[in-house]
Amino acid sequence: TQLLEQSPQFLSIQEGENLTVYCNSSSVFSSLQWYRQEPGEGPVLLVTVVTGGEVKKLKRLTFQFGDARKDSSLHITAAQPGDTGLYLCAGEDNFNKFYFGSGTKLNVKP
Amino acid sequence: DAGVIQSPRHEVTEMGQEVTLRCKPISGHNSLFWYRQTMMRGLELLIYFNNNVPIDDSGMPEDRFSAKMPNASFSTLKIQPSEPRDSAVYFCASSIQGWQPQHFGDGTRLSIL
Repeated sequence: TQLLEQSPQFLSIQEGENLTVYCNSSSVFSSLQWYRQEPGEGPVLLVTVVTGGEVKKLKRLTFQFGDARKDSSLHITAAQPGDTGLYLCAGEDNFNKFYFGSGTKLNVKP
Repeated sequence: DAGVIQSPRHEVTEMGQEVTLRCKPISGHNSLFWYRQTMMRGLELLIYFNNNVPIDDSGMPEDRFSAKMPNASFSTLKIQPSEPRDSAVYFCASSIQGWQPQHFGDGTRLSIL
């Protein structure tokens, strides 16, 4: 079982649509990161959130850390084909252990 | 600036053979991580070095796997003997210190026949 569960596992949408990806856990994390991975490449860090309730924006991407620091969401507005990729959340727990989520594979069709 | 460099990019070998994967972290980074990625299990941490010293190797599957970091600019992950179930993409990542933020290499795609 994964410590960090991501949903949905797969998402295929049309260009211009909005979407939200979720990262959930029963554990508390001192910080949480979101990465995007494109085929044939390694994951690339998008954002780190550390404070419960924190919201960060990166152009059309909005990241939120849950108040209890157990969950996070990534919202993409007006998705574009360039947003296609595998989105991974990763968290550091209070015992200095680091875990990656199961990932959400996003396909944005032109 | 050069990122994390991994070699080879692809490796195909027969089971029972020794496999050595190589990683050059970003200069000035003190932490290095080896990960394995498969469709079934996602991205799994194998081992984590800090200042060339292994800090957490609890993710190393079994004795067939070993990792070394002889200096700050080089690390190897060795599998001996290799088995078909070791087929995966192996990533190396580095960070200035600790878990974040990590910079990943482009991975080594390993196929054991």
